[in-house]
Amino acid sequence: GAVVSQHPSWVICKSGTSVKIECRSLDFQATTMFWYRQFPKQSLMLMATSNEGSKATYEQGVEKDKFLINHASLTLSTLTVTSAHPEDSSFYICSARDDRLFSNQPQHFGDGTRLSIL
Amino acid sequence: DQQVKQNSPSLSVQEGRISILNCDYTNSMFDYFLWYKKYPAEGPTFLISISSIKDKNEDGRFTVFLNKSAKHLSLHIVPSQPGDSAVYFCAASGLGAGSYQLTFGKGTKLSVIP
Repeated sequence: GAVVSQHPSWVICKSGTSVKIECRSLDFQATTMFWYRQFPKQSLMLMATSNEGSKATYEQGVEKDKFLINHASLTLSTLTVTSAHPEDSSFYICSARDDRLFSNQPQHFGDGTRLSIL
Repeated sequence: DQQVKQNSPSLSVQEGRISILNCDYTNSMFDYFLWYKKYPAEGPTFLISISSIKDKNEDGRFTVFLNKSAKHLSLHIVPSQPGDSAVYFCAASGLGAGSYQLTFGKGTKLSVIP
């Protein structure tokens, strides 16, 4: 159980393109979803937290107009990297959690999206 | 300021022996701790967790120990298997960290040698 699907797994596109990444919880309802970014040999850095039906909360230093997050349902969140540039190239990972019954629940992660901007 | 620290970037262990991965934290508001395993180009996979009201949690070959006074936790894998070779991340959360967000360490790369 607790499967999170992330799509696409790999994107290569030209500078200036907007890229949408989808994160779906397949067998549970995700009241909270998280978006992370990972640089080589570094830990996962939280970008934003989103709750279904409300605006995402962004971490300090993350541009909300650059990284648009939508959490329209209990099973789907999307991250759109707008007007992507080479410095946005990274590994983006989503995670999901069901907070409805218990507060301490593990986050379950997708397999990540490798974004390469040329 | 790194609130969760994994001071060993790598660890090599012989197959069948015990692997011990260590993690230290500084934020006394953390009350829930997790270990994740990650293969290259994949997302982390949840392994085991422990609440601050416990000092030990066991699940098969994996045991997590928590020493609150020392702000230290460790993951024991016994016996270690080649398939355990991966990067292991320690993570922590708590009310003080805000909305039960996870704070991750930088990871320890475990290599189990056949």
